[in-house]
Amino acid sequence: GAVVSQHPSWVICKSGTSVKIECRSLDFQATTMFWYRQFPKQSLMLMATSNEGSKATYEQGVEKDKFLINHASLTLSTLTVTSAHPEDSSFYICSALSVGGYTFGSGTRLTVV
Amino acid sequence: GDSVTQMEGPVTLSEEAFLTINCTYTATGYPSLFWYVQYPGEGLQLLLKATKADDKGSNKGFEATYRKETTSFHLEKGSVQVSDSAVYFCALSDRKDSSYKLIFGSGTRLLVRP
Repeated sequence: GAVVSQHPSWVICKSGTSVKIECRSLDFQATTMFWYRQFPKQSLMLMATSNEGSKATYEQGVEKDKFLINHASLTLSTLTVTSAHPEDSSFYICSALSVGGYTFGSGTRLTVV
Repeated sequence: GDSVTQMEGPVTLSEEAFLTINCTYTATGYPSLFWYVQYPGEGLQLLLKATKADDKGSNKGFEATYRKETTSFHLEKGSVQVSDSAVYFCALSDRKDSSYKLIFGSGTRLLVRP
């Protein structure tokens, strides 16, 4: 079946630095990928929709300059958290859409210290 | 906008008990409905789905029926096991404006005791 690889699975960074998270569809092409944020014991909040070769569409309240999304190929989307602060600490999950439906990555736990 | 409302958890049941997790939705179009499960320390997995009214999704003993008249998609299982302990998310995809984004409910944590 469809597999989405998300890397890294966890990362600790210092406040003020930037962190890049990668999301790859391993055996299919994904024209659309989604980025979610999940707070502890809470639901997934959609951050943005990423379409290959075009600018991402951000949900209301999500800072596009802070959460940079690039979808340069049909198999790779990246989320860069710029100038990270402790309040950005969270679990970030990507999802890729194919004809078979939605496939989720295993998530990235970001801790900003 | 579109939204999904789930019953609050946690839900605690004894093994072999009957499970119902309520889910209702609001959508302007004709959404597809999903149940996802997240086991401790793992990512989301699709449990079942239904794409039109009166469809019944089923998998691993779980069932949910797409009820357009009550805008509901309640999850049921006749006899839960300890291994069913997880967080369950109801979700919808409305495909408006060529957007296929998936909107999630708040999640319901299920704990099954032996």
